[in-house]
Amino acid sequence: DAGVIQSPRHEVTEMGQEVTLRCKPISGHDYLFWYRQTMMRGLELLIYFNNNVPIDDSGMPEDRFSAKMPNASFSTLKIQPSEPRDSAVYFCASVTAGTGLGLIPGELFFGEGSRLTVL
Amino acid sequence: DQQVKQNSPSLSVQEGRISILNCDYTNSMFDYFLWYKKYPAEGPTFLISISSIKDKNEDGRFTVFLNKSAKHLSLHIVPSQPGDSAVYFCAAATQGGSEKLVFGKGTKLTVNP
Repeated sequence: DAGVIQSPRHEVTEMGQEVTLRCKPISGHDYLFWYRQTMMRGLELLIYFNNNVPIDDSGMPEDRFSAKMPNASFSTLKIQPSEPRDSAVYFCASVTAGTGLGLIPGELFFGEGSRLTVL
Repeated sequence: DQQVKQNSPSLSVQEGRISILNCDYTNSMFDYFLWYKKYPAEGPTFLISISSIKDKNEDGRFTVFLNKSAKHLSLHIVPSQPGDSAVYFCAAATQGGSEKLVFGKGTKLTVNP
C-alpha cells in the first residue's frame, strides 16, 4: 500500500488567503485524524473521523478551520482566512479498528505532512 | 495544559551507549502508552507501546519501562546507533474506547558516531 498521502508537501501563502490541505488515507482504514505540529505545542489532535463522520473536533482552534471527509478515500482541512500563527506542519493519519470492537490505541499511520507557512 | 510531558527537548549520546528518553504524564486515566519516532520531513512512525498492566516491554534494542505510581515512562535504546537520531514522541491514551492519543512535545535524539 502507498501509505497515507498528503498534499501539498509545502505551501507558502499570504495572510488572509484560503488554504486547503488534502489527505488520502490507507485503503480500508476507517479512522482518519488531522494533527498539527508546532514547536510550542508539539503534536495536537485537531479533528478525527470514523467512517467519514466527524467524531471530535474539539481540537480545531477556531472557526477559521474546517475539515471534511466526503468519502472513505479523501479528506480536506481548510483554513480560511489563514493567519501567520497557523504556520505549522499538518499531519494526516489513519488506522483501522480491525476487530470492530472499538479502536485500540496504537499504531497510527501518518502521512509525510504538509508544511504551511503563512506570511 | 500538557498532560504528557517530555521535559528534555534534546539528548545527545555516543554510538554504542544507552539512550534514555523520559516522559511524564498527569492523567491517571491513561493506561496505554506509545513511543513514535520521527525523521525530518517524514511523518511519525510507531515504535513501541506498553499497556498499564505491564511495567516493561522489549523489542530488540528498544525497551519501554512504565512506573505507574510515578506516572513516568522511559524508552531505552541499547546500543544506540547513528540511525536512531530522530525526534521521539511519547503518547498516551485510555483503552476504554478513546481514539485520542495525547502526544508530548518530543525529544530530539542525536547519536554521534
